[in-house]
Amino acid sequence: DAGVIQSPRHEVTEMGQEVTLRCKPISGHDYLFWYRQTMMRGLELLIYFNNNVPIDDSGMPEDRFSAKMPNASFSTLKIQPSEPRDSAVYFCASSLTAPGLEQYFGPGTRLTVT
Amino acid sequence: GENVEQHPSTLSVQEGDSAVIKCTYSDSASNYFPWYKQELGKRPQLIIDIRSNVGEKKDQRIAVTLNKTAKHFSLHITETQPEDSAVYFCAASKGDKLSFGAGTTVTVRA
Repeated sequence: DAGVIQSPRHEVTEMGQEVTLRCKPISGHDYLFWYRQTMMRGLELLIYFNNNVPIDDSGMPEDRFSAKMPNASFSTLKIQPSEPRDSAVYFCASSLTAPGLEQYFGPGTRLTVT
Repeated sequence: GENVEQHPSTLSVQEGDSAVIKCTYSDSASNYFPWYKQELGKRPQLIIDIRSNVGEKKDQRIAVTLNKTAKHFSLHITETQPEDSAVYFCAASKGDKLSFGAGTTVTVRA
């Protein structure tokens, strides 16, 4: 298996633009997690899905952020409009059926908003 | 929600010495405690984990101990090597999601 796949790996955009980050979890994994990592805040859980259904989005910073999982092999995290403070590395991770098992992280998307 | 505190934030050790990182958690219902290693510019990767029915677990040069009464757990790295230099994160979970500590930057001096 290729592991968790994320695209793009790097994104540079101007403030106010829409940004869409993509993730393909490991096949057979039922849980998908979106994290944001910054020096100031560390690793923050934004939202997670179980069997394509959002379970907990309490970490989503504000209404500018939204996430979807239309099927078991694809998820998106969208920021509209983007702001400079959204600059961070965004990780997607997936895990097997039972909660609390190992989460496999993707390579991350480094987002820079100017 | 769960609150995980991690100490120290930075740790410098001489190659061959041991390194110890400590974490405390707030929710006594937490039952899964993984440790992740993140090298510079890379993704976090699980290196060892422990569940609440176990007090200690060892895998070659790394070990984790858990004290449920005190609600703390620790990572021990023995015979440190340059490739152990990285940021280490502890985490705690009682269900689906993980709550991460702030991370410890470990530097192994040659």
